[in-house]
Amino acid sequence: DAGITQSPRHKVTETGTPVTLRCHQTENHRYMYWYRQDPGHGLRLIHYSYGVKDTDKGEVSDGYSVSRSKTEDFLLTLESATSSQTSVYFCAISETWTSGEQETQYFGPGTRLLVL
Amino acid sequence: KNQVEQSPQSLIILEGKNCTLQCNYTVSPFSNLRWYKQDTGRGPVSLTIMTFSENTKSNGRYTATLDADTKQSSLHITASQLSDSASYICVVRAAGNNRKLIWGLGTSLAVNP
Repeated sequence: DAGITQSPRHKVTETGTPVTLRCHQTENHRYMYWYRQDPGHGLRLIHYSYGVKDTDKGEVSDGYSVSRSKTEDFLLTLESATSSQTSVYFCAISETWTSGEQETQYFGPGTRLLVL
Repeated sequence: KNQVEQSPQSLIILEGKNCTLQCNYTVSPFSNLRWYKQDTGRGPVSLTIMTFSENTKSNGRYTATLDADTKQSSLHITASQLSDSASYICVVRAAGNNRKLIWGLGTSLAVNP
């Protein structure tokens, strides 16, 4: 999984509790992404980062926030988890945003989150 | 509306056989198309990337084709192996200011002995 780790790998939590997922990379790539994957949907982008402290919203950002204080770490926070946020969350990294092989996104192993 | 549709939804083949997966897209303007392989319980892994001017690209036993005129792509797997059992996802990158990725739902392939 290309020098990308996610923690925790599995989590069960209750509705209304805050949850933070961590993505750590050792590739020194500039871009980092958080996706969710659900049955019946393609991967959906939650938030992405194009540098330390530089983040932007994806297509399904409501209810999520992110932070990137170091190149290697990208945190995803569910401020108050809801059952609709039960999903598999993937972190990805890429060297660039432009066309070509450098924009290849490399994915972490995923975090399975269950919100009861 | 930008969409990526894949067919079939699922496929079962015997080890050693060939198969072809289809991807139709309506993304415009078009930048590139990528095929990913996703093993169960793991993140997607890129197989090939194709731009507008490329018709065919191979990666070992995987060969992707692109017809930009009809907005269709295919992924051909030759001499399938048990390890090819996975979901294969087609992803199209839009061009221009909004360089959004549009993900297909994937084709689930099972290779049986």
